[in-house]
Amino acid sequence: DAGVTQSPTHLIKTRGQHVTLRCSPISGHKSVSWYQQVLGQGPQFIFQYYEKEERGRGNFPDRFSARQFPNYSSELNVNALLLGDSALYLCASSGATTGSYEQYFGPGTRLTVT
Amino acid sequence: AQSVAQPEDQVNVAEGNPLTVKCTYSVSGNPYLFWYVQYPNRGLQFLLKYITGDNLVKGSYGFEAEFNKSQTSFHLKKPSALVSDSALYFCAVSRYSGGYQKVTFGIGTKLQVIP
Repeated sequence: DAGVTQSPTHLIKTRGQHVTLRCSPISGHKSVSWYQQVLGQGPQFIFQYYEKEERGRGNFPDRFSARQFPNYSSELNVNALLLGDSALYLCASSGATTGSYEQYFGPGTRLTVT
Repeated sequence: AQSVAQPEDQVNVAEGNPLTVKCTYSVSGNPYLFWYVQYPNRGLQFLLKYITGDNLVKGSYGFEAEFNKSQTSFHLKKPSALVSDSALYFCAVSRYSGGYQKVTFGIGTKLQVIP
């Protein structure tokens, strides 16, 4: 089975622009989470979606938004990009949201904002 | 609130020697604890987890972790380190809160296995 896939792999944007990142979960997984990983730090939680509904949101500004589609794939959107948004964005899928399930991560999208 | 501390930025160990990567946590209620590994320019890979039961948890690639409730620790261990174990290791605590799985990661510990 294919693992979690993310696209694009790398992205370079200019301050003020908008970006869309995409994620396809492992087949059968209905939960998708997004994380931001800044160099030298652990992943920081942005969103969790389950069955197409937002279930949780981390401490990120409203410039960050996401959605989940009927096939459980997901998009993360970031508006009005800032230099500080430069990071590795990770998508993770899991079988449920109960807390005891491990997450399976994609390779990430490296976003550079100039 | 929940938090994870990984007190060592880097751990160096000789190949063949035992290794320990330390983790302490803070969370209300019973903890769900995880270890993940990250290789350069890659996503995180699940190694093992503690949910309940035996305090010694065995995982992938010969790794194991010991849960200690009184010390709120979940240290990662391996009896004999391999050069290929060199990577970034993250400890995480998870709980179900407000309808979702709230996961908090530590800042990571870089493991360097020296040939």
